[in-house]
Amino acid sequence: DQQVKQNSPSLSVQEGRISILNCDYTNSMFDYFLWYKKYPAEGPTFLISISSIKDKNEDGRFTVFLNKSAKHLSLHIVPSQPGDSAVYFCAPGGETSGSRLTFGEGTQLTVNP
Amino acid sequence: NAGVTQTPKFQVLKTGQSMTLQCAQDMNHNSMYWYRQDPGMGLRLIYYSASEGTTDKGEVPNGYNVSRLNKREFSLRLESAAPSQTSVYFCASSEGHLGYGYTFGSGTRLTVV
Repeated sequence: DQQVKQNSPSLSVQEGRISILNCDYTNSMFDYFLWYKKYPAEGPTFLISISSIKDKNEDGRFTVFLNKSAKHLSLHIVPSQPGDSAVYFCAPGGETSGSRLTFGEGTQLTVNP
Repeated sequence: NAGVTQTPKFQVLKTGQSMTLQCAQDMNHNSMYWYRQDPGMGLRLIYYSASEGTTDKGEVPNGYNVSRLNKREFSLRLESAAPSQTSVYFCASSEGHLGYGYTFGSGTRLTVV
């Protein structure tokens, strides 16, 4: 039972354009939705999060949108930069999941100069 | 500030050998976690420890054991390594509030031949 799904294994965009990474989930009781970024040979690092009571959270070039009715989460990066090239994981969690995060499969983002 | 430190960074084992992966955090976090990352499968939880003195199974615990030695240290043991345990292992810690996410170590790349 895969609770979190990132359907696009990879995404390629041009520098300066928008990158949109998507995530679908099945558990309607998740309280928080997080995005992590991972470079090769490094551990994942926290990028941005959103609470289930909000539908948008913005931090600089990064914005996360939450559509609870569709059980869909997206991360927008504007403008995209070559240094954004990494694997991005969505990771929701909540009391019903034991206050633990459940990670998606990840999306490899490549930003071309 | 070291954060989460994992040792070793790389290891090659023969089938049937045993080893212990070490993890230590210096952030005074209560909760600690062990994940494995495999291509196309994201991060899967092996074991976690919500607080000192407690451990619980995650999604893929078979073939592993853990010890929460004290608040700082959480080790993962493979008693009899199998090729299916070839993976990258990440340790993480958290304050316990999901909104703040987890802090990950840099990982241990394990190959079982």
